[in-house]
Amino acid sequence: QKEVEQNSGPLSVPEGAIASLNCTYSDRGSQSFFWYRQYSGKSPELIMSIYSNGDKEDGRFTAQLNKASQYVSLLIRDSQPSDSATYLCAVNDYGGSQGNLIFGKGTKLSVKP
Amino acid sequence: DGGITQSPKYLFRKEGQNVTLSCEQNLNHDAMYWYRQDPGQGLRLIYYSQIVNDFQKGDIAEGYSVSREKKESFPLTVTSAQKNPTAFYLCASTGQGGGWQFFGPGTRLTVL
Repeated sequence: QKEVEQNSGPLSVPEGAIASLNCTYSDRGSQSFFWYRQYSGKSPELIMSIYSNGDKEDGRFTAQLNKASQYVSLLIRDSQPSDSATYLCAVNDYGGSQGNLIFGKGTKLSVKP
Repeated sequence: DGGITQSPKYLFRKEGQNVTLSCEQNLNHDAMYWYRQDPGQGLRLIYYSQIVNDFQKGDIAEGYSVSREKKESFPLTVTSAQKNPTAFYLCASTGQGGGWQFFGPGTRLTVL
């Protein structure tokens, strides 16, 4: 059974701090990794994608990938109350149908003013 | 603007009723997906379709049915055989070659 594991949280950080969200995956062949943000009652929206080992930065967001450790993370710098949401990690279903993703259950982030 | 529309936003079903959730996309995407999300849970795949007139069961297909007669449309029917259908239903699509999935706004289904 392919799995994507995330700490469910809630993760609480003060405004302006760095929030660190972690995700591990079971299928060593996975090649594509995505972070989605989901506000309460809304649908997920893509915020980051990463395909190669290392870091990828986009504004206040940095995705980090370590395929050897089967670990992907998302750092949010200068956290704002508007970042309070559930963050879903998704990994391509390697060996399954092309385009299918496997989602973690999400980490709920709370940024306190 | 390109995107996915889902309707209705809220849907109430009586016991024993079949209901159909609409999903339409104008992104020219080949693949479309239906997920179910329960509180505190991740997304569970119900059905997916990679091409018109073809679809595959996901992890929790029992009690659901779909059709894919047009590239733009992928309706989901929740049948009376689905014993616990109250959930948030999300439709998604992805372009040729896969990659990230784009989500519609969702339909919240409640059984009365």
